[in-house]
Amino acid sequence: TQLLEQSPQFLSIQEGENLTVYCNSSSVFSSLQWYRQEPGEGPVLLVTVVTGGEVKKLKRLTFQFGDARKDSSLHITAAQPGDTGLYLCAGVVITSYDKIIFGKGTRLHILP
Amino acid sequence: NAGVTQTPKFRVLKTGQSMTLLCAQDMNHEYMYWYRQDPGMGLRLIHYSVGEGTTAKGEVPDGYNVSRLKKQNFLLGLESAAPSQTSVYFCASRYLATGRFDYTFGSGTRLTVV
Repeated sequence: TQLLEQSPQFLSIQEGENLTVYCNSSSVFSSLQWYRQEPGEGPVLLVTVVTGGEVKKLKRLTFQFGDARKDSSLHITAAQPGDTGLYLCAGVVITSYDKIIFGKGTRLHILP
Repeated sequence: NAGVTQTPKFRVLKTGQSMTLLCAQDMNHEYMYWYRQDPGMGLRLIHYSVGEGTTAKGEVPDGYNVSRLKKQNFLLGLESAAPSQTSVYFCASRYLATGRFDYTFGSGTRLTVV
């Protein structure tokens, strides 16, 4: 059974600080995704990383896929209140229907 | 430019009642999914469909049935609701194309079974 463990589960920091969220597994994934979910809404895809060691940047957000394709991190620079939300990582497993395994999420709260 | 639309947004059911949740997408996606999201459990796959007329079980299918009579619609049915089915239900869809795993999610249906 593939599992994705996210840490921390909760994070509350001041505006302007930097933070990193981790997503770890003992399984290898063909690619890994990060979603952000706001209250009362569905998850919205932020990025997909495909190659081991890949780094993608989305403004102040930096996503990295581990060399062994088992883990990923999300780093936010100079966090802003608008970054508040639930961040989900999701690993793609190539099967007959391309299964996606979701982590339980990191709830981030940025204090103004 | 609606994307994925779920109806209803909220519903309260009594134990034993039945209901159908509707998911409609206007992106011509082949794949459609139903997930439930519970605190501390994350998103869990209930059923999925790889095309019109085909459905399959996911991780937690018990107590649910689905149908996909039209490509754009995916229905989730609860025949006899139980309090354990209190959850937020999300529908998602994506293209069939190899290598494209860009899920688009609906905004969810919050179901309470009393």
